[in-house]
Amino acid sequence: DAGVTQSPTHLIKTRGQQVTLRCSPKSGHDTVSWYQQALGQGPQFIFQYYEEEERQRGNFPDRFSGHQFPNYSSELNVNALLLGDSALYLCASSRTDAGAKLFFGSGTQLSVL
Amino acid sequence: EDKVVQSPLSLVVHEGDTVTLNCSYEVTNFRSLLWYKQEKKAPTFLFMLTSSGIEKKSGRLSSILDKKELFSILNITATQTGDSAVYLCAVDGSGAGSYQLTFGKGTKLSVIP
Repeated sequence: DAGVTQSPTHLIKTRGQQVTLRCSPKSGHDTVSWYQQALGQGPQFIFQYYEEEERQRGNFPDRFSGHQFPNYSSELNVNALLLGDSALYLCASSRTDAGAKLFFGSGTQLSVL
Repeated sequence: EDKVVQSPLSLVVHEGDTVTLNCSYEVTNFRSLLWYKQEKKAPTFLFMLTSSGIEKKSGRLSSILDKKELFSILNITATQTGDSAVYLCAVDGSGAGSYQLTFGKGTKLSVIP
């Protein structure tokens, strides 16, 4: 049983560019959440997708957007990249009837130069 | 704004020692508290606690929640080098219908032989 898979594992971009990160949830999971983890910090909630809609959003600007597909996989898009967007981006999946127990992927390490 | 504070931020112990990690929180609509272990990239689930006073156990790890005093502890007995990791505490304080975790900064545990 594959767990949560994310791609790519590493990415280097320059300021002003746009980036798309991808996530496939664990089998049987229908909800996908995205978190940003800066160095030395805990993960910070970006948004959550369920039934192809954004269900909840954290304190992130509109430059951060997402999508969930009918197969429950998800994308995170970040426009107009800033140096401060450099971080580990974690995707987590869950079953909507299983509470807050999230299963995390290994993340995408984004570096903005 | 929901808040989770972990202490200590880092800890160095010798193999065989027992450690206690602390987590205090302030959230508006508490539903559950979770502990994760982050060794490299992907946080892995340890425990989810929803009720006060009930200890969760898994091998050498155990955790308890005090909803009156708004804190939780994670105990690790007979520590091994494989326990070296960042331990994250997170609280689900979101409203009904979705799950948004607020994380602390983590406690970095180093176990030396």
